[in-house]
Amino acid sequence: GENVEQHPSTLSVQEGDSAVIKCTYSDSASNYFPWYKQELGKRPQLIIDIRSNVGEKKDQRIAVTLNKTAKHFSLHITETQPEDSAVYFCAAAGGTRYGKLTFGQGTILTVHP
Amino acid sequence: GAGVSQSPSNKVTEKGKDVELRCDPISGHTALYWYRQRLGQGLEFLIYFQGNSAPDKSGLPSDRFSAERTGESVSTLTIQRTQQEDSAVYLCASSLATGVGNTIYFGEGSWLTVV
Repeated sequence: GENVEQHPSTLSVQEGDSAVIKCTYSDSASNYFPWYKQELGKRPQLIIDIRSNVGEKKDQRIAVTLNKTAKHFSLHITETQPEDSAVYFCAAAGGTRYGKLTFGQGTILTVHP
Repeated sequence: GAGVSQSPSNKVTEKGKDVELRCDPISGHTALYWYRQRLGQGLEFLIYFQGNSAPDKSGLPSDRFSAERTGESVSTLTIQRTQQEDSAVYLCASSLATGVGNTIYFGEGSWLTVV
């Protein structure tokens, strides 16, 4: 089955800096890669996603890049703010598993004012 | 409803008891998923339902776990003879369909503590 590895497990940045979280996946059939943000005690919420037919997608301060050959994808947050502090999860799905997201272990992002 | 609704929000049960967790998906969503999240961990897939198709149960950790869904509405996740390792947040999610890119929306979860 699919295996998703996420790094780093914790990330601490100063307000205004950029943050980058990286994930690798094992199943070349995966073709959908969402990122979720989860605040303490809250539900995971989709912040951005990318399909395998594109290499990059941006939404304001958030961007995701995908390298299908290397089987890795990354989340980039620019001009970080304290409210960006949360746990971020990457996930992969597709092929015969399109209904089943396989999640990474999460990255705890802390943005210091 | 406005979002995925789960109940109870919190449940404390004694080891060996059975528990039932309920999920109301977003109206019109044909796909429904259950995930488990242990403290400080990622989300583990348990089971998903898509319309009238047979559910994909490949993530259920043991035969103590089962789930049902009535048509395209409410789902119930049942854990029999609960064990302490079952303590986790059980998250339900739904999506319009299960094609690639159908956004999956999560509920707030049911926090289960087995003592």
